[in-house]
Amino acid sequence: GENVEQHPSTLSVQEGDSAVIKCTYSDSASNYFPWYKQELGKGPQLIIDIRSNVGEKKDQRIAVTLNKTAKHFSLHITETQPEDSAVYFCAARGTGGFKTIFGAGTRLFVKA
Amino acid sequence: GAGVSQSPSNKVTEKGKDVELRCDPISGHTALYWYRQSLGQGLEFLIYFQGNSAPDKSGLPSDRFSAERTGGSVSTLTIQRTQQEDSAVYLCASSFRGTSYNEQFFGPGTRLTVL
Repeated sequence: GENVEQHPSTLSVQEGDSAVIKCTYSDSASNYFPWYKQELGKGPQLIIDIRSNVGEKKDQRIAVTLNKTAKHFSLHITETQPEDSAVYFCAARGTGGFKTIFGAGTRLFVKA
Repeated sequence: GAGVSQSPSNKVTEKGKDVELRCDPISGHTALYWYRQSLGQGLEFLIYFQGNSAPDKSGLPSDRFSAERTGGSVSTLTIQRTQQEDSAVYLCASSFRGTSYNEQFFGPGTRLTVL
């Protein structure tokens, strides 16, 4: 069935360093790839998304890249800050569909 | 309201009891989703409502789980005869429409603990 694998499960970086989270999806029909940030006690919040007709998208310190051939997509956070500490989820959704398949999440720790 | 709200925020129940979890979506959003998040896990799709269409229940783990959406707005997720493995955070999300590019807005979740 449809699956999204996410790595690493835990990531610890020093403040100011970059963080990279990688995901792989199985359904070649997937065409929309959102990334969510979940802080403790809150629901996930969309931070950036990318559509399958785009290879890269950037928003200030965060960027997402997509390799459709390899079915890989990645989240890049530069100049990390302590407030970036949270759980990050990647997800994939298919054409015309509603069902979003989520990765297992990456817990990011940014050490001051 | 301004965002998706869920109640209660926490629910502790005894094994075998029934529970009801409530979700108030963002006004005007026609699509509503329920997910389950077990400790340290990703989000597991449970059920999807879109307008007046029949819901997609393909993610419900057993017939003890059911959900309804009244008047195209508020939704209730019911778990009958709760089991310890039902313990998780139940998240509700809504979107303007259920199509691919519509952002899902999540509520804060209900943490269910079955003793």
